[in-house]
Amino acid sequence: AAGVIQSPRHLIKEKRETATLKCYPIPRHDTVYWYQQGPGQDPQFLISFYEKMQSDKGSIPDRFSAQQFSDYHSELNMSSLELGDSALYFCASSLTWFSGNTIYFGEGSWLTVV
Amino acid sequence: AQTVTQSQPEMSVQEAETVTLSCTYDTSESDYYLFWYKQPPSRQMILVIRQEAYKQQNATENRFSVNFQKAAKSFSLKISDSQLGDAAMYFCAYRSEIVDNNDMRFGAGTRLTVKP
Repeated sequence: AAGVIQSPRHLIKEKRETATLKCYPIPRHDTVYWYQQGPGQDPQFLISFYEKMQSDKGSIPDRFSAQQFSDYHSELNMSSLELGDSALYFCASSLTWFSGNTIYFGEGSWLTVV
Repeated sequence: AQTVTQSQPEMSVQEAETVTLSCTYDTSESDYYLFWYKQPPSRQMILVIRQEAYKQQNATENRFSVNFQKAAKSFSLKISDSQLGDAAMYFCAYRSEIVDNNDMRFGAGTRLTVKP
């Protein structure tokens, strides 16, 4: 079965640079979530989209922005990168925003800021 | 705000034996969903089991079962006949029914080691 696809899987950037992560949800899933997992930490919710509209916002820095496109894929844009942004970024998807629907996670994108 | 607490940073179990991972949560809501996710060394988040708060019956998925105590706000995971492949970080998670506040809230995780 198709899963959530994230690209790139690994990314190395320098401080103050910009990075873009892409996420392709499971086919027919219209809801996308972004999570950030720092070293030794639990995943922290950043932002979510339902039907191409932002549906919920968590602890996403102002330097970050995201959107969901007409084909339901999503992109997370991170600017003015800081060392503390080094983390594993998960994208996840579900069929609608209904809480009872299972959220499926991608394999994550590793961002290292040097 | 809802919080999820996993009080066991690390646990170990002998292969083929049973282990229980603890999870408690704090909420004022009556309807919500609880999950256990497994994160192996590959770091992928894999759903292990889920429980709807309105269901009294404890969820079971093969060797994995939960003990859901709604009044006590407790949601423990029992792994029977532990296998080497069960070694991973296990996260307990809570999801509200409220539409604009239904992001997944995770506990700090429990690292499970399985000894051969």
